[in-house]
Amino acid sequence: DAKTTQPTSMDCAEGRAANLPCNHSTISGNEYVYWYRQIHSQGPQYIIHGLKNNETNEMASLIITEDRKSSTLILPHATLRDTAVYYCIVRVYNTDKLIFGTGTRLQVFP
Amino acid sequence: DVKVTQSSRYLVKRTGEKVFLECVQDMDHENMFWYRQDPGLGLRLIYFSYDVKMKEKGDIPEGYSVSREKKERFSLILESASTNQTSMYLCASSVRGFRLNYGYTFGSGTRLTVV
Repeated sequence: DAKTTQPTSMDCAEGRAANLPCNHSTISGNEYVYWYRQIHSQGPQYIIHGLKNNETNEMASLIITEDRKSSTLILPHATLRDTAVYYCIVRVYNTDKLIFGTGTRLQVFP
Repeated sequence: DVKVTQSSRYLVKRTGEKVFLECVQDMDHENMFWYRQDPGLGLRLIYFSYDVKMKEKGDIPEGYSVSREKKERFSLILESASTNQTSMYLCASSVRGFRLNYGYTFGSGTRLTVV
C-alpha cells in the first residue's frame, strides 16, 4: 500500500493561503489521492480528491505533481475554523479502503 | 441531517466485559468501516465490510470481531474488553467502487474507556 508523509504540524495566519504538502512517492498509476480533515472531537470530513489533474472545489484546491509523487492541498483564505488535522491518503488500488496516517495539525492564528 | 450514527458518544466498560459498538447509516451505502484513533497513531482500520454478511480484516483486527446482518448496520464487538482497547472508535460508510466521489462519511465517534 502506498504510504504518505506529511509534516506533523503547520501554522497559518488567518486570511492567508494554507499550503499543506504530502509525499506519496510509491503511489501507483491508478491510485487516487484523497484529503480529509478532522476538527477536534468530530469524525474526519472529506475535502477533495484527485488522480492526475489539479482539482478545485468550494473548500480547497489540490495540486498533484506531474510525476504524482507529491501533492499540495491549498486552502486559499484560511479561517480560524480551518484549524484541524489534515490527512493525505492514497486510496488502495481496486479497493475502497483508505489507509490514514497521522496527518498534519494545522493551526490558524488571528 | 445525521447520516452515520454511532450509538454512544461515551462508553465506560469493565475489563473482561463483552462490548458492542453500533453504527447505522441511512445512505444505502454498500461499504462500512471501523477505525480506532489513538494519539500519535492516527486512524487505524480494524475491519470493513463490502456487503451484508461480508467482512474483511483491516490492519489491527486482533481482539475485535464484527457483524453486518443488515445493510445499514455494522457492529464492532470486543469479545473481552481490555484496557489497551481504550480508544476513540470511528465508523464510516461509502458507496462501492469508482463511484467513490466523496469517499467516506464518518460518524462522530465513540470514546470507549475500559477500566
